Amino acid sequence: QKEVEQNSGPLSVPEGAIASLNCTYSDRGSQSFFWYRQYSGKSPELIMSIYSNGDKEDGRFTAQLNKASQYVSLLIRDSQPSDSATYLCAVNMSGYGGSQGNLIFGKGTKLSVKP
Amino acid sequence: ETGVTQTPRHLVMGMTNKKSLKCEQHLGHNAMYWYKQSAKKPLELMFVYSLEERVENNSVPSRFSPECPNSSHLFLHLHTLQPEDSALYLCASSQEKLAGYTDTQYFGPGTRLTVL
Repeated sequence: QKEVEQNSGPLSVPEGAIASLNCTYSDRGSQSFFWYRQYSGKSPELIMSIYSNGDKEDGRFTAQLNKASQYVSLLIRDSQPSDSATYLCAVNMSGYGGSQGNLIFGKGTKLSVKP
Repeated sequence: ETGVTQTPRHLVMGMTNKKSLKCEQHLGHNAMYWYKQSAKKPLELMFVYSLEERVENNSVPSRFSPECPNSSHLFLHLHTLQPEDSALYLCASSQEKLAGYTDTQYFGPGTRLTVL
């Protein structure tokens, strides 16, 4: 069973703090990794994509990938109340849903940023 | 219209009804997807149309039937649904490029379906 695991939370952090969201995946052949943000009642929107080991930074967001440990994380610096949402980790799984693989989503981590 | 659009946004139907969900992408992508999102469960991939190839998830009941007349339009035909099929149905599109890599999927706003 190919899986993506996330802590469902809720993760509560004070405004201005660093929020750390973690995700593990089961398929060693995975090549593509994504973090989506989903506000309540809305559809997921892309935050970050990462394909290579290491860190990738975009504004207040940093994605970290470690393929050897099958682990991907998202750091949110200077957290704001507007960051309060559910964060979905998505990983492509080889051989699932077509020749190029398709995304398996985790259940999501609910983040709450307190003013 | 920009991005990925879905209609209707809300749908209430009885178990004997037949209805269809529509998705249209304005991004020039070559792959489209249907997902189901139920409360407290992860997004579940239902169907994929990628590079003219339809891929099915064998666990999707036959009461759900997809149709992709061209690369910009995707339908999900519904008939004799069950109350447990009530969920948010999301359409997404992407541009498939390199073998083994999955490009970013962009989601539509979803259709909130309630089956009575």
